[in-house]
Amino acid sequence: QKEVEQNSGPLSVPEGAIASLNCTYSDRGSQSFFWYRQYSGKSPELIMSIYSNGDKEDGRFTAQLNKASQYVSLLIRDSQPSDSATYLCAVKGNNRLAFGKGNQVVVIP
Amino acid sequence: NAGVTQTPKFQVLKTGQSMTLQCAQDMNHNSMYWYRQDPGMGLRLIYYSASEGTTDKGEVPNGYNVSRLNKREFSLRLESAAPSQTSVYFCASSEGGVWMDDEQFFGPGTRLTVL
Repeated sequence: QKEVEQNSGPLSVPEGAIASLNCTYSDRGSQSFFWYRQYSGKSPELIMSIYSNGDKEDGRFTAQLNKASQYVSLLIRDSQPSDSATYLCAVKGNNRLAFGKGNQVVVIP
Repeated sequence: NAGVTQTPKFQVLKTGQSMTLQCAQDMNHNSMYWYRQDPGMGLRLIYYSASEGTTDKGEVPNGYNVSRLNKREFSLRLESAAPSQTSVYFCASSEGGVWMDDEQFFGPGTRLTVL
């Protein structure tokens, strides 16, 4: 089983709607979880970090963590065309960051 | 404050050629990393350096060598390039040690093609 899995295909959402992204991980000992955004042809940039179970909100972004079920999710509220990008889930374990393959989000005006 | 810089931005090599990818950061960060990103594979860690003078293997180190020249610079060398090393290479840095949970800042990437 891959360490970090993001299985959903490209996600198309209308402008103003909620985009929901999910990520599962295999290492039960992982303590730190991150969401990076990557625009096409650009480098990843951190948008959210979460360390404890529950929700963490930052502007239009909400990260949700459930360690018992080993998943972390990202909600983007009021989606804007500028949110069109690939979102990478990353999990910290064994002194290194493991990344999922990413989910592409396309916001349709 | 340029953050993390990488040179070159693009490179085409022939199989068997060697080259060094350069990375520098001006944020006084302790830890530096080299990743490769391939379609459908995500970002994979090649090597990392927790501090000046130390380096450790990541997930995919074969075919690469690294040097942490000083606190600012971390280079990645391909001794004999192979087509399988065609990829986008990202350098990253973080303020604390590799065991800490602080943000990793990424450079703009080097797009390498090996023919």
